[in-house]
Amino acid sequence: KAGVTQTPRYLIKTRGQQVTLSCSPISGHRSVSWYQQTPGQGLQFLFEYFSETQRNKGNFPGRFSGRQFSNSRSEMNVSTLELGDSALYLCASSLVPPGSGKPNEQFFGPGTRLTVL
Amino acid sequence: GDSVTQMEGPVTLSEEAFLTINCTYTATGYPSLFWYVQYPGEGLQLLLKATKADDKGSNKGFEATYRKETTSFHLEKGSVQVSDSAVYFCALTIIQGAQKLVFGQGTRLTINP
Repeated sequence: KAGVTQTPRYLIKTRGQQVTLSCSPISGHRSVSWYQQTPGQGLQFLFEYFSETQRNKGNFPGRFSGRQFSNSRSEMNVSTLELGDSALYLCASSLVPPGSGKPNEQFFGPGTRLTVL
Repeated sequence: GDSVTQMEGPVTLSEEAFLTINCTYTATGYPSLFWYVQYPGEGLQLLLKATKADDKGSNKGFEATYRKETTSFHLEKGSVQVSDSAVYFCALTIIQGAQKLVFGQGTRLTINP
């Protein structure tokens, strides 16, 4: 079974631009979460989607947004890029829906490394 | 709020040494606990998990026991190999609510031959 795929793997943008990252979950997984990884802040939760609905959101500004499509693929968008947005953005998928009361296991993709110049 | 604290790295050991990476947590609910590993240039891989008190998670020679009384989930391995060199993350998720993962800061482990 194919794992979580993320595209592109690497991206270079300049301040003020916007960017869209894509994530395809494992087949059959309907829950997708996004995380930002930086050397200073570590791994931080961005948001979680299930059945095309955002179920939970982390503490990030409104410049960070996302969506999920009917085939469970997800995109995240960052507008008006800042230098501090340079990071590895990780997507994870899960078979367990949020709030189900069952223990969760999330499977991570390789990430998209975004560099903002 | 919920948080995870890991021992500071980096940690450097010789091959076949005993490994312990400490992890403690604070949680408002009853968390599930995880250890993830990240190899250079890759995403995170689940190493092991435990979902209730006194559960022991194990995989690839690594073990961790869910200790509710000490709110800890320390990672151990009896004999490390060069291939274990990676960054290790302790994490929790609260079952009752949304299942976002809260991570520790990560511990970089280097094993010398």
